[in-house]
Amino acid sequence: NAGVTQTPKFQVLKTGQSMTLQCAQDMNHNSMYWYRQDPGMGLRLIYYSASEGTTDKGEVPNGYNVSRLNKREFSLRLESAAPSQTSVYFCASTSNRGSEKLFFGSGTQLSVL
Amino acid sequence: RKEVEQDPGPFNVPEGATVAFNCTYSNSASQSFFWYRQDCRKEPKLLMSVYSSGNEDGRFTAQLNRASQYISLLIRDSKLSDSATYLCVVTPSLEYGNKLVFGAGTILRVKS
Repeated sequence: NAGVTQTPKFQVLKTGQSMTLQCAQDMNHNSMYWYRQDPGMGLRLIYYSASEGTTDKGEVPNGYNVSRLNKREFSLRLESAAPSQTSVYFCASTSNRGSEKLFFGSGTQLSVL
Repeated sequence: RKEVEQDPGPFNVPEGATVAFNCTYSNSASQSFFWYRQDCRKEPKLLMSVYSSGNEDGRFTAQLNRASQYISLLIRDSKLSDSATYLCVVTPSLEYGNKLVFGAGTILRVKS
């Protein structure tokens, strides 16, 4: 049972480049999330999807777009990467709204030069 | 003021020691509280929920003080394997749905 699979693990981009972070879960979870983690800041919610077909902004959505392709997959896209988007990105899922147990992917270390 | 605040540490303790962390939250309407553990360069994992009556799981005890708006985590008989960052997590309100708010974490280092 893979849980939450997140790719890539590492990525280096130049300013202005675009890329998509992929996330898939095999636990039949309804809710999926994208967080970024920066030193001293804790995890901050970028976007979330409470169910297939719906997405909502979190705390720091600017510069990002998301797609809930189906129940399993939730992707995060950076259209024009900026150095301020250098961070560790985590995808997570949970079985239902309000559940506290988030299952996280292993993270993506993104550097934007 | 941050919604969830933690002492970043690091807390350096010897094996066998008892150590406690506090976490304060700003929204008095906050509904749910949790401790997550994060090992270096790894993803966070749920350690335990925090209930109003307090709860214990082996060497770990979590408590909630709604009047003073803080939660605590007590670790007894510390092990080397307890070295990690401990994240305080809060659900601000029912209207906030399931958007958990994470503290920046407290670093614990247990040394032999």
